[in-house]
Amino acid sequence: GAVVSQHPSRVICKSGTSVKIECRSLDFQATTMFWYRQFPKQSLMLMATSNEGSKATYEQGVEKDKFLINHASLTLSTLTVTSAHPEDSSFYICSAQDVGTFFGQGTRLTVV
Amino acid sequence: DAKTTQPPSMDCAEGRAANLPCNHSTISGNEYVYWYRQIHSQGPQYIIHGLKNNETNEMASLIITEDRKSSTLILPHATLRDTAVYYCIVRPTNRDDKIIFGKGTRLHILP
Repeated sequence: GAVVSQHPSRVICKSGTSVKIECRSLDFQATTMFWYRQFPKQSLMLMATSNEGSKATYEQGVEKDKFLINHASLTLSTLTVTSAHPEDSSFYICSAQDVGTFFGQGTRLTVV
Repeated sequence: DAKTTQPPSMDCAEGRAANLPCNHSTISGNEYVYWYRQIHSQGPQYIIHGLKNNETNEMASLIITEDRKSSTLILPHATLRDTAVYYCIVRPTNRDDKIIFGKGTRLHILP
């Protein structure tokens, strides 16, 4: 099946710094990608829809200025967590659409 | 909001069939039933999907009731590696439509 790759798989950063997470579709082109966040023992929560060549669509309650999404090509979307704080520590997952929806392996962000 | 209801957890003995139920009483005519699972600290993995007929693939079988208001995912011979959270999702056929996850069922396979 299609492959979606996230990088890095885990990252630790200091409070106040910014972190960029990449989501790549390796063998297909994706005009639409999705970003999710998952806290321990909870389900995936959709954060935003990333649209190639246009602005992302954010879900209610998600701060667009804090979670910057860029989808500059058909195979890459990036999520930047700006001015990260410990409460932003979470598991971030992306997905992309081909013939079916495929998910990345996730990125575990720890803010210290 | 998720349009499905699943039991929060289930146990199944290794080697036995695991039957995971899902209620989706408000499903629309153009919506499919999808199943994904998430093994700890990994991204969700696609299992199977169907519209109204029963489906089977190498991983599982999907049984959808005639009125489409509920379905059952069957893992025919559960192994320890099947321990995961299983999500039942209804979504339209539009391939760009977002997936909204419910709370899923945490399946424990017992040795």
